[in-house]
Amino acid sequence: RKEVEQDPGPFNVPEGATVAFNCTYSNSASQSFFWYRQDCRKEPKLLMSVYSSGNEDGRFTAQLNRASQYISLLIRDSKLSDSATYLCVVNFYSGGYQKVTFGTGTKLQVIP
Amino acid sequence: EAQVTQNPRYLITVTGKKLTVTCSQNMNHEYMSWYRQDPGLGLRQIYYSMNVEVTDKGDVPEGYKVSRKEKRNFPLILESPSPNQTSLYFCASSLSSGNTIYFGEGSWLTVV
Repeated sequence: RKEVEQDPGPFNVPEGATVAFNCTYSNSASQSFFWYRQDCRKEPKLLMSVYSSGNEDGRFTAQLNRASQYISLLIRDSKLSDSATYLCVVNFYSGGYQKVTFGTGTKLQVIP
Repeated sequence: EAQVTQNPRYLITVTGKKLTVTCSQNMNHEYMSWYRQDPGLGLRQIYYSMNVEVTDKGDVPEGYKVSRKEKRNFPLILESPSPNQTSLYFCASSLSSGNTIYFGEGSWLTVV
């Protein structure tokens, strides 16, 4: 089993649609979680952190389910500008050791 | 402006010719790392550094070296590049373990 798994997509959705991505992780001791956005041939940029209680930033909602070991990202009212690849990031650290693992990404294409 | 700067951005080199990709951050971050990104494989960590003079292997360290003599710099060295090291490379930094990761713009490396 991969340490972090995402559906690669692509997810092709019309403008205005709601779309959700999931990301599962294998290390139950993982401590911090993030969603990053990556545009084609560009560097990944932080979209949002994922908190245990769930968090929202405008049209974006992130949730963490520790029991089932997955994080999710919900995008409401999709815009053309949301087209990108979304990477989940799982972080484990202890003392002098840190393990940062990226999912391979889910590609989203918002269609006019 | 807070940023991670890596150079060169684009490089074509020949097998066996030593090269260095520089990385510098101006945010006084403790944690720095190098990733390579290949189609279908996502971002894979090559090396990371928790602080000055502290470096450790990531998931794919073979064929690479790093050093961390100063807090702001974390160069990636390919002593004898081979074609399988053709990839998109990202340098990244974060304040400490578990914090937001900031990426450089990426370095496209082709080894022929």
